[in-house]
Amino acid sequence: NAGVTQTPKFQVLKTGQSMTLQCAQDMNHEYMSWYRQDPGMGLRLIHYSVGAGITDQGEVPNGYNVSRSTTEDFPLRLLSAAPSQTSVYFCASRWALSSYEQYFGPGTRLTVT
Amino acid sequence: TQLLEQSPQFLSIQEGENLTVYCNSSSVFSSLQWYRQEPGEGPVLLVTVVTGGEVKKLKRLTFQFGDARKDSSLHITAAQPGDTGLYLCAGAGVGNEKLTFGTGTRLTIIP
Repeated sequence: NAGVTQTPKFQVLKTGQSMTLQCAQDMNHEYMSWYRQDPGMGLRLIHYSVGAGITDQGEVPNGYNVSRSTTEDFPLRLLSAAPSQTSVYFCASRWALSSYEQYFGPGTRLTVT
Repeated sequence: TQLLEQSPQFLSIQEGENLTVYCNSSSVFSSLQWYRQEPGEGPVLLVTVVTGGEVKKLKRLTFQFGDARKDSSLHITAAQPGDTGLYLCAGAGVGNEKLTFGTGTRLTIIP
């Protein structure tokens, strides 16, 4: 099992550009989520999904879109990047919303200039 | 919004010393988790505690959940350089399984 994979590892964007951060898991987990990690602020939930076709907003959803067409994939889209979106992004998955063990991907470091 | 405060924010100690880091909130959590994160990697789950007053041990690491389920502590005995990392606590609210993360304690063990 590869676990949770994320691509790319690093990305630099100019303000206003769009891009998609990819996330995939091969553990057949129902629950997937996206977090951003900023210095001194811990991990903050952006969006989450409790299963294919179902997504919901987290704590900081503005500027980000998600979709969940399959159980395995949960891409995060930035439609018009802003410098405030410079951060490290982590995708995570677990068996179900009610399960405890959560697995994180290796992260994507995004810089918006 | 539930907040989790971790202290200290930074801790640097000599190999072999003991240490405790804290995770505090004014909110009650149904469960609380501790993660360790190394540079360039995602957090890795160390333990989950679910019962008030619960104590769990993982080799030299001892985790305790407060009786009121509002706080937790992580105690490391005889710290080793391999313990170096960012330690994060995360709580799930009662009736809401979404996790709220603390700001982290960055631990450095000096050989």
